[in-house]
Amino acid sequence: AQSVTQLGSHVSVSEGALVLLRCNYSSSVPPYLFWYVQYPNQGLQLLLKYTSAATLVKGINGFEAEFKKSETSFHLTKPSAHMSDAAEYFCAVSDRARDDKIIFGKGTRLHILP
Amino acid sequence: GAGVSQSPRYKVTKRGQDVALRCDPISGHVSLYWYRQALGQGPEFLTYFNYEAQQDKSGLPNDRFSAERPEGSISTLTIQRTEQRDSAMYRCASSLPSEGNTIYFGEGSWLTVV
Repeated sequence: AQSVTQLGSHVSVSEGALVLLRCNYSSSVPPYLFWYVQYPNQGLQLLLKYTSAATLVKGINGFEAEFKKSETSFHLTKPSAHMSDAAEYFCAVSDRARDDKIIFGKGTRLHILP
Repeated sequence: GAGVSQSPRYKVTKRGQDVALRCDPISGHVSLYWYRQALGQGPEFLTYFNYEAQQDKSGLPNDRFSAERPEGSISTLTIQRTEQRDSAMYRCASSLPSEGNTIYFGEGSWLTVV
């Protein structure tokens, strides 16, 4: 069964610094991979997804993620953090071949320091 | 409709009562998912449907939880004999298979069992 592990339940970065949120996945078949963001008191919104085209995926708000099969990773990055990026970020995986359920990680709360 | 609609948005119920949570997916979306999200946690998969068929209910915690989608559109998640540990945000999501498993979430239903 597929799963994701997000390293670090809380990450703090200074405004303007690089954002790196880590996600490792486990799947027996090539997966679909996703990053969702949840702003305070709001629902979950898709940031970006990997579906086997380009390994470097660009999303909204300047975020991007790179699929690395050899490392089973799908880390989320942004070159320069903005105060508005403070939110909870969830990595998720689904089984592409079976069009299956989507499994979410426990989330990483991103704090932006002024 | 334009987005996934859930009702009620907030529900407070007494322990032992039954509750029904409703989800109206995006028009035309084939797949419908139910998740539960506790505070500070990621969405936990409960069950999902393709059209009216329940494809996977492995995430339902116990037999007090059930879901249906009789006409392949609106779905109801029912919790019988509620317990305090059932208190959480219940999120519904829907998707089109052609979009690579991208799921779109509703605002959620906050359930508090007192």
